[in-house]
Amino acid sequence: AQKITQTQPGMFVQEKEAVTLDCTYDTSDQSYGLFWYKQPSSGEMIFLIYQGSYDEQNATEGRYSLNFQKARKSANLVISASQLGDSAMYFCAMREGQVGGSYIPTFGRGTSLIVHP
Amino acid sequence: EPEVTQTPSHQVTQMGQEVILRCVPISNHLYFYWYRQILGQKVEFLVSFYNNEISEKSEIFDDQFSVERPDGSNFTLKIRSTKLEDSAMYFCASSENARPLEQYFGPGTRLTVT
Repeated sequence: AQKITQTQPGMFVQEKEAVTLDCTYDTSDQSYGLFWYKQPSSGEMIFLIYQGSYDEQNATEGRYSLNFQKARKSANLVISASQLGDSAMYFCAMREGQVGGSYIPTFGRGTSLIVHP
Repeated sequence: EPEVTQTPSHQVTQMGQEVILRCVPISNHLYFYWYRQILGQKVEFLVSFYNNEISEKSEIFDDQFSVERPDGSNFTLKIRSTKLEDSAMYFCASSENARPLEQYFGPGTRLTVT
């Protein structure tokens, strides 16, 4: 079974609008971390936001927020006020905190976001 | 702002050749990682490295691969006897501690095996 599922291969949004990129995860661990990365066409991976499983509040970083619904095992990324420069691939990833400290991260397949002017 | 750097940005090699991909992690970081991303696919973890030894590795990281920190600044990934399926983007990352809130990724090296 996939540990990270991103069901939207591609998303389109109008500039200045908000967009939600979906991510669901599967883990039996109590302690884990969820990440979102942006990969523009130039190829580099840019860290955007992190949510710990014990964090009670949703993480926010500027225009990025993570809609964390633990019971549903979802960690959707919300980008507010989209900009043309937000056009990129977006990857959701999870690190599970097992006893013994295995922190091998698992990435989803990504969602391609295109922002229209 | 400190950043992870990688060289070269693009490496073309013939099947069967050895390649060394180089990374300079952020200077105060202690944990180092290699990932790969085959074109159009998801990022896959290869290996993590701490205190001059491998701390974790994935199934992908077989005997064909090795990592080394030859000096105080560089972190290298060696691929022996490259295969066509090794063609991918290889990312180096570093983090300050073992339970990072974030890993800082380098810009990647695109490896093309012909």
